[in-house]
Amino acid sequence: NAGVTQTPKFQVLKTGQSMTLQCAQDMNHEYMSWYRQDPGMGLRLIHYSVGAGITDQGEVPNGYNVSRSTTEDFPLRLLSAAPSQTSVYFCASSYSGTFGELFFGEGSRLTVL
Amino acid sequence: AQTVTQSQPEMSVQEAETVTLSCTYDTSESDYYLFWYKQPPSRQMILVIRQEAYKQQNATENRFSVNFQKAAKSFSLKISDSQLGDAAMYFCAYRSARAGTASKLTFGTGTRLQVTL
Repeated sequence: NAGVTQTPKFQVLKTGQSMTLQCAQDMNHEYMSWYRQDPGMGLRLIHYSVGAGITDQGEVPNGYNVSRSTTEDFPLRLLSAAPSQTSVYFCASSYSGTFGELFFGEGSRLTVL
Repeated sequence: AQTVTQSQPEMSVQEAETVTLSCTYDTSESDYYLFWYKQPPSRQMILVIRQEAYKQQNATENRFSVNFQKAAKSFSLKISDSQLGDAAMYFCAYRSARAGTASKLTFGTGTRLQVTL
């Protein structure tokens, strides 16, 4: 059982470049989300989804786009990368049940030069 | 909006001793969930323990237990018989019990725990 899979694990971008962080889960979870982790700031929610075709903004959505065309996949797009987007990104998924535990991917370290 | 505060950026404990990590939160909701996550150097986020706000009984998982004080909005983590493998960053997190919020956690800034021989 793979759980939550994120790719790539590491990426270096130049300012202005675009890229997509891929996230896939094989647990048939309805809910998926993206967080970024910065030193001294914990994890902050970027975008989340409660099901295919439904997405919404989290605490820090600016500069990021998401879509959810299938239950399994929830890619995060950076349309024009900025140095402020240098961070570690985590994808997570959970059941929609009352006590849905959040399952995290291994994280993707992104550096924007 | 909810906030979670971890006032101890770093803590140290000797192997086999007990350590308590502090967490306070602010919310106007009465029903919610609280979590402690562990992040070792591998970067993987691992759920340590969770607490439902409507339950007065403190959660326990082997060597890990919490002291949940709802009125004080406090949720501390006690690690007993500390082991070298407990060395990690620990995050306290809050989640509303409202429908549709299962993937929306609010995290504290973390406490880095060192375990010494």
